[in-house]
Amino acid sequence: GAGVSQSPSNKVTEKGKDVELRCDPISGHTALYWYRQRLGQGLEFLIYFQGNSAPDKSGLPSDRFSAERTGESVSTLTIQRTQQEDSAVYLCASSLVVGTGEETQYFGPGTRLLVL
Amino acid sequence: LAKTTQPISMDSYEGQEVNITCSHNNIATNDYITWYQQFPSQGPRFIIQGYKTKVTNEVASLFIPADRKSSTLSLPRVSLSDTAVYYCLVGDGPGTYKYIFGTGTRLKVLA
Repeated sequence: GAGVSQSPSNKVTEKGKDVELRCDPISGHTALYWYRQRLGQGLEFLIYFQGNSAPDKSGLPSDRFSAERTGESVSTLTIQRTQQEDSAVYLCASSLVVGTGEETQYFGPGTRLLVL
Repeated sequence: LAKTTQPISMDSYEGQEVNITCSHNNIATNDYITWYQQFPSQGPRFIIQGYKTKVTNEVASLFIPADRKSSTLSLPRVSLSDTAVYYCLVGDGPGTYKYIFGTGTRLKVLA
């Protein structure tokens, strides 16, 4: 079956422009996560969605970052007025259940964002 | 916060057993411990998960002591293709959903 997909795979933008990153989770997965990974560093949790519940946005680094998800389907991560420090790989993951502690997250290949 | 601590890097030779230990002193009662593997330019991939004692699958074993404040990922007879970053993951406390990755251990397998 299809795994988590993300688009675009690479994005180069100019400082100050807005970008939108897309994540298609595995069908049936109720939970969806966004992470940021800077070059040579670990994963930084950004936000998660669980079904139709209000998302936990407390990991978003600034108000320039926002994310949406419609039901249990596609999610978009939007970065407004991009800055050079936003350059990173943005990873999306989905899982079947959230809150029990035993969920396995399945990751997409990531979107590599470069802000010039 | 349920933070984890791992060695930054490890070197090994092909055919050896590699053990990577993760410290998670603040692990919550209902948290599982999960290990992921990440190759360059790829998203992390699930390796193994456990709650207590020992878990074994076709690629690794996970040892968790009774106090659950640490865990050890064991990779038997590593090969060059096991060169990757290994992350230890635990939940961020009961009833929450923030999963905090550790710093990751960069394993380099030498011929």
